[in-house]
Amino acid sequence: GAVVSQHPSRVICKSGTSVKIECRSLDFQATTMFWYRQFPKQSLMLMATSNEGSKATYEQGVEKDKFLINHASLTLSTLTVTSAHPEDSSFYICSAFHRGGASTDTQYFGPGTRLTVL
Amino acid sequence: GENVEQHPSTLSVQEGDSAVIKCTYSDSASNYFPWYKQELGKGPQLIIDIRSNVGEKKDQRIAVTLNKTAKHFSLHITETQPEDSAVYFCAATLPGQAGTALIFGKGTTLSVSS
Repeated sequence: GAVVSQHPSRVICKSGTSVKIECRSLDFQATTMFWYRQFPKQSLMLMATSNEGSKATYEQGVEKDKFLINHASLTLSTLTVTSAHPEDSSFYICSAFHRGGASTDTQYFGPGTRLTVL
Repeated sequence: GENVEQHPSTLSVQEGDSAVIKCTYSDSASNYFPWYKQELGKGPQLIIDIRSNVGEKKDQRIAVTLNKTAKHFSLHITETQPEDSAVYFCAATLPGQAGTALIFGKGTTLSVSS
């Protein structure tokens, strides 16, 4: 299957700092990428939809000024957590929409980024 | 919007037994239903998917069935092995040209004991 990478895999930062997470589709172009957040022993919750060349669409309750998303190319989307606080500590996972045709369109997930805010 | 319910939340089986996980969805317009396996500390891995024009799909020990009338779909794992132990998520999505976000079930923790 298609490969999606995330960097970094793990990051620890101090409260008040900003952290950038990268999501790359390695062997395909993705006009649409998605960012999810997952707390321990819970399901994935969609944060925002990232569209190449346009503004991201945020889900209700997700602060767009806190979670900045940039989808500058067909293979890269970034999520920046600004002024991070301990409650932002979580597992952040991206996915990329792979267009293969009506019978093969699907989403592939990255390996996730564990963010810990001290 | 779409809502996906998943049962059971935990499932323990003996090695070699079968495991079945069931999901229901609310929006009859949903047309794509993937299943993901997530191991601890890793991202979800697509294991099988089914589209609304198909009733069943198999891939070796894994199969998925879809009942559009009842709006439910199920994952079947036969001859389970300890390495099948993980959290399994079902998901559903609405049709969209640019791809629409997946709505996930709450997950099932499968434990296979040897």
